[in-house]
Amino acid sequence: GEDVEQSLFLSVREGDSSVINCTYTDSSSTYLYWYKQEPGAGLQLLTYIFSNMDMKQDQRLTVLLNKKDKHLSLRIADTQTGDSAIYFCAESGGQNFVFGPGTRLSVLP
Amino acid sequence: NAGVTQTPKFRILKIGQSMTLQCTQDMNHNYMYWYRQDPGMGLKLIYYSVGAGITDKGEVPNGYNVSRSTTEDFPLRLELAAPSQTSVYFCASSYRGTIHEQYFGPGTRLTVT
Repeated sequence: GEDVEQSLFLSVREGDSSVINCTYTDSSSTYLYWYKQEPGAGLQLLTYIFSNMDMKQDQRLTVLLNKKDKHLSLRIADTQTGDSAIYFCAESGGQNFVFGPGTRLSVLP
Repeated sequence: NAGVTQTPKFRILKIGQSMTLQCTQDMNHNYMYWYRQDPGMGLKLIYYSVGAGITDKGEVPNGYNVSRSTTEDFPLRLELAAPSQTSVYFCASSYRGTIHEQYFGPGTRLTVT
């Protein structure tokens, strides 16, 4: 079946860049997404990329997609303490949405 | 707009009890979804609905039932609660059924003991 994998933890220092990686198996994925989840809250969509794109930039966020390797990354520039959260990668090829396990980003002062 | 609201926020059930998790949206969205999130895992789709009167199974529907009698409400029913159903449940809605347009509720934390 379809699968999405992410490393579970990442720590960075405030002001550094964070790079969160994700791999997926479904070659028919149409959209790939990054969600942010803060403690006790629901998911907040950060950004998404259509599968025929290889890069999308939105302020401090840069998404890179390598469709050949089925690899997606999220780069957060100038990481702040408010960026501490769990980041979920997700893919969809239709009505079925598959989420990764989430990467817990800790931002150290 | 209140967006997507879920009740209750927390609940503890004994094995074999039943309960209904409520979800309401006031955005006139056609599509509604129920997900569960287990510790250290991503979200898994339980059931979804593309409009009033229409529901369909997601990835993990066993042990759950849903109904969609109105556009606004999409309750999730657990009939015989089991410890494996201990999870955080998220309801979401969208206008056109694409994931990047989904709005999520704050979640219901359910513990079955």
